[in-house]
Formats: sequence, structure tokens, C-alpha cells
Amino acid sequence: KQEVTQIPAALSVPEGENLVLNCSFTDSAIYNLQWFRQDPGKGLTSLLLIQSSQREQTSGRLNASLDKSSGRSTLYIAASQPGDSATYLCAVAHNYGQNFVFGPGTRLSVLP
Amino acid sequence: NAGVTQTPKFQVLKTGQSMTLQCAQDMNHNSMYWYRQDPGMGLRLIYYSASEGTTDKGEVPNGYNVSRLNKREFSLRLESAAPSQTSVYFCASSELDTGLEGAFFGQGTRLTVV
Repeated sequence: KQEVTQIPAALSVPEGENLVLNCSFTDSAIYNLQWFRQDPGKGLTSLLLIQSSQREQTSGRLNASLDKSSGRSTLYIAASQPGDSATYLCAVAHNYGQNFVFGPGTRLSVLP
Repeated sequence: NAGVTQTPKFQVLKTGQSMTLQCAQDMNHNSMYWYRQDPGMGLRLIYYSASEGTTDKGEVPNGYNVSRLNKREFSLRLESAAPSQTSVYFCASSELDTGLEGAFFGQGTRLTVV
């Protein structure tokens, strides 16, 4: 059974810092890995999708990497802003069974 | 482009009442999913439908039923609501069999069972 963990559970940083969020998964037989953002009381917004054959994806100040063999992904946020405060979730889609398995999330607070 | 639309957004039920949560997607995806999100538990899969006409149980299916009405619509039914079903419910869709697209989520339904 696929299990996804995220470290840290919560993170508080001053504005302007670069930061890294971590995601680990136990089974490397995945289709892709996706990072989401969730604001309080809201739905999930997709940030980045990395295919199993890719090593990284970039969007603006966000960069996500994938090391499938070691079961790890990182989300790098450059020059953090208060508007980045949210919960960040990673999810893996594995190619047995047709669904996504989510990590518990990292709650990020960026202080002005 | 609406993406994934869920109704209702909020609902309060009494124990034992029934209700159906509706979900529709306009991206022509084959796969659709129902998740529940609880504090400290993350998102857990209730049911999914890999294609029109098929449904499968996820991690926490007890107390729920689903219907894949057509390619666009996937509904979740609570036959006899219990307080343990108080949660936020999310519907999602994807084209998972190609692996080329990720998941798209609706805005959620906040359900309280009293």
C-alpha cells in the first residue's frame, strides 16, 4: 500500500526566505506526483505536476523535483511572500489502482 | 471553463437523514473520485470511477454509495447519515490512464451531521 509523508508538518518563516518542503512515498511505481496548495476553507489548487519520467518542473517561484528511485520529492519556494501562506499537499498517482494518494500536508506561514 | 463543480457547498443533516452530493466535470475526463478531508487525517479516497459505468471502493467506503451517471457526473450518496460522516467532501477528475494530467478538484462540500 502506498504511503505518503510530508515533512515538516508546519513551517513558519519570515518574508523573503527561500524554503523547501519535503514529500516521501513508499512505492516508486508511480505515474506522476502533483503538488497542491490549499487555502483555509477552500479547495485544492494544482501547483506543479511531475511525470514519472521527469526530474523537475518549474512555475514562477516554485520548483519541484522528483527522485523516483528514492521515493522523494521537494517543493522549493523562492523569495517567499505572505500570500504563499497555505497548506501544501503532495499526491502520487500510482499505476496500480486508479487513484491519487495524498500526504498529510505542510502548513506554511510566511510572516511579513 | 468551469472545471469540476460540486453542489451543495454546505449542508447540515440530522442523524439518519439521506442526501446526495453532486459532482460534474467538463474536461472530458474518464476518471472521477470522491475524497473526504478530516483534520489530522488528510484526504482519504471514498470511491472512484475509472471510466463511465465502473466504480470501485477506496479506503473509506462504508456508509456511502456512488453513481457514475454518465461521463460528466459522479454522485455520492449518504443513505443514513452519521456524525462520523461530518467532513469536507471533495470531488476530483483526471485522465489518469494516460498519466499525462494531474487531478482537478472541486471546491468542496462542507457537511455537518448533528
